[in-house]
Amino acid sequence: KQEVTQIPAALSVPEGENLVLNCSFTDSAIYNLQWFRQDPGKGLTSLLLIQSSQREQTSGRLNASLDKSSGRSTLYIAASQPGDSATYLCAVSSSTNAGKSTFGDGTTLTVKP
Amino acid sequence: NAGVMQNPRHLVRRRGQEARLRCSPMKGHSHVYWYRQLPEEGLKFMVYLQKENIIDESGMPKERFSAEFPKEGPSILRIQQVVRGDSAAYFCASSLAGTGEGAFFGQGTRLTVV
Repeated sequence: KQEVTQIPAALSVPEGENLVLNCSFTDSAIYNLQWFRQDPGKGLTSLLLIQSSQREQTSGRLNASLDKSSGRSTLYIAASQPGDSATYLCAVSSSTNAGKSTFGDGTTLTVKP
Repeated sequence: NAGVMQNPRHLVRRRGQEARLRCSPMKGHSHVYWYRQLPEEGLKFMVYLQKENIIDESGMPKERFSAEFPKEGPSILRIQQVVRGDSAAYFCASSLAGTGEGAFFGQGTRLTVV
């Protein structure tokens, strides 16, 4: 059974700082890994998707890496801004079905002005 | 191409009533997934459906919960005789299975049982 863990559960940083969010998973036989952003009381916004054959994906100030063999992914946020404050969720798809995912409990990020 | 549409966005039910949550997948998507997010927790998989078929319901509670995805119309998640512990956000996602593009999520339905 796949288990996904995100550390830390909460993180508070001053504006402008670079930061890393961590995600680990127990079963390395994944199909893809996806990072989402969730604002309070809102839905999910997909940030980056990494296929199992890829090592990283980049979008603007965000960079996600994937190390399947060690069961780890990181989300790097450069030059953080108060607007980045949200909960970040990591989701792993562990079958040939791209839609069935196991989610971590998230990291709640607060960026202080 | 509209995204995944869920309605209602907010639903209030009294204990013992029925809750019906609707999900219209993205155009061309025939695979639908339901997830539940309890307060302060991550999303937990409930059920995976294709048109007229339940493929995987390993995350569904054994009683009171059912899901369908008819040939025509939206997917429905039905909760009978709701209890306070059913209060949560219910998210629907759809995908083109096997394409690797991942699933697209709706905005969720927030169910409150009073």
